[in-house]
Amino acid sequence: DTGVSQDPRHKITKRGQNVTFRCDPISEHNRLYWYRQTLGQGPEFLTYFQNEAQLEKSRLLSDRFSAERPKGSFSTLEIQRTEQGDSAMYLCASSLRGYTRGGLDTQYFGPGTRLTVL
Amino acid sequence: GQNIDQPTEMTATEGAIVQINCTYQTSGFNGLFWYQQHAGEAPTFLSYNVLDGLEEKGRFSSFLSRSKGYSYLLLKELQMKDSASYLCAVRAAVYNFNKFYFGSGTKLNVKP
Repeated sequence: DTGVSQDPRHKITKRGQNVTFRCDPISEHNRLYWYRQTLGQGPEFLTYFQNEAQLEKSRLLSDRFSAERPKGSFSTLEIQRTEQGDSAMYLCASSLRGYTRGGLDTQYFGPGTRLTVL
Repeated sequence: GQNIDQPTEMTATEGAIVQINCTYQTSGFNGLFWYQQHAGEAPTFLSYNVLDGLEEKGRFSSFLSRSKGYSYLLLKELQMKDSASYLCAVRAAVYNFNKFYFGSGTKLNVKP
């Protein structure tokens, strides 16, 4: 179990540029989640995949945001035409449908990608 | 909707015991989780409760009362490394998956 990994860990970009983040979940986990976290707040849900299907999207996810999980393994989150308000930590989590050490569907988080939009 | 409240910040002394409270209002409740998050790092899973009562894991214990919409995380024998933010998260059944709703976190400062 190598844990959830995310790449890059930090991204600085200029307003209007596009950025893409990658998440590699724990290998046997079939559920994958993206969250956004700003300073002093808890993570806010963005979207959820079960295998390759995107089953839920938050209203926070504007049309500038898109996420994919093409083969049901890694996932990418793309932000187009970035705005300063997009600056945040983007967290990926994965879970296994079924019972694990933490019980049913416990989510395990990656280290996050910190995005700064100048 | 979902509403989760926890204190913004607490301070405690090394070696002491501290209790971090969390109250929630939610539909489709399916478990309450506690995560620890050090500054600039990802949340790490600490404990969860689905049924009422106390769950103990070493220096950490978590309690749940579903009828009161209340939970607490108890940290014993505090160590300096316990200085972190503690997130209360409610898991709710939404359609065909479990959605997590997080509180804003309680920043715990452990002083010598």
